[in-house]
Amino acid sequence: SQQGEEDPQALSIQEGENATMNCSYKTSINNLQWYRQNSGRGLVHLILIRSNEREKHSGRLRVTLDTSKKSSSLLITASRAADTASYFCAKEEDSSYKLIFGSGTRLLVRP
Amino acid sequence: KAGVTQTPRYLIKTRGQQVTLSCSPISGHRSVSWYQQTPGQGLQFLFEYFSETQRNKGNFPGRFSGRQFSNSRSEMNVSTLELGDSALYLCASSLGQGSGELFFGEGSRLTVL
Repeated sequence: SQQGEEDPQALSIQEGENATMNCSYKTSINNLQWYRQNSGRGLVHLILIRSNEREKHSGRLRVTLDTSKKSSSLLITASRAADTASYFCAKEEDSSYKLIFGSGTRLLVRP
Repeated sequence: KAGVTQTPRYLIKTRGQQVTLSCSPISGHRSVSWYQQTPGQGLQFLFEYFSETQRNKGNFPGRFSGRQFSNSRSEMNVSTLELGDSALYLCASSLGQGSGELFFGEGSRLTVL
């Protein structure tokens, strides 16, 4: 499959806890992006990390990228019930003009 | 600034029919991409257009086609519908000048009976 692998497939945590999602891929990338999708809705871009970057922050989000291991992780700190959604990583290969999405992690944050 | 608009939001068709979905990108965005989302296959790339030119195409049969107009609006068409074409079809726009984030619409949910 072209898609990257994400784990876990599903994650249930208590409000206030941290949530970590992982993404692995097989080929070289130009950049890796993370998106959120609320049930049946469109995707919302969260953060983009380029292949020459190792870590990036945006509010309560922290993304790391390890190109030697071909993996990335998304950390959501101090989670809220509103963070309940599916989270997808997406890689962009050089000059491809397309994103290849992972299988997603379904996050449930219990109040 | 208005977001990406997709129409129709929901539609039901029967096998063998054809369907056209429309996407209006964010003003100033020249790239439009289409993705199919199903529970079994996840999010799959269909095609990408920039200034009316298709720059990339996913691994879908020829029944799936698209086009982009001079105002950057895009349409995709699926002919001879099959049950397996039931999906959420997502359109996304971007400036298209290099790698960067995509802005997605809410999608068109197609059900084929």
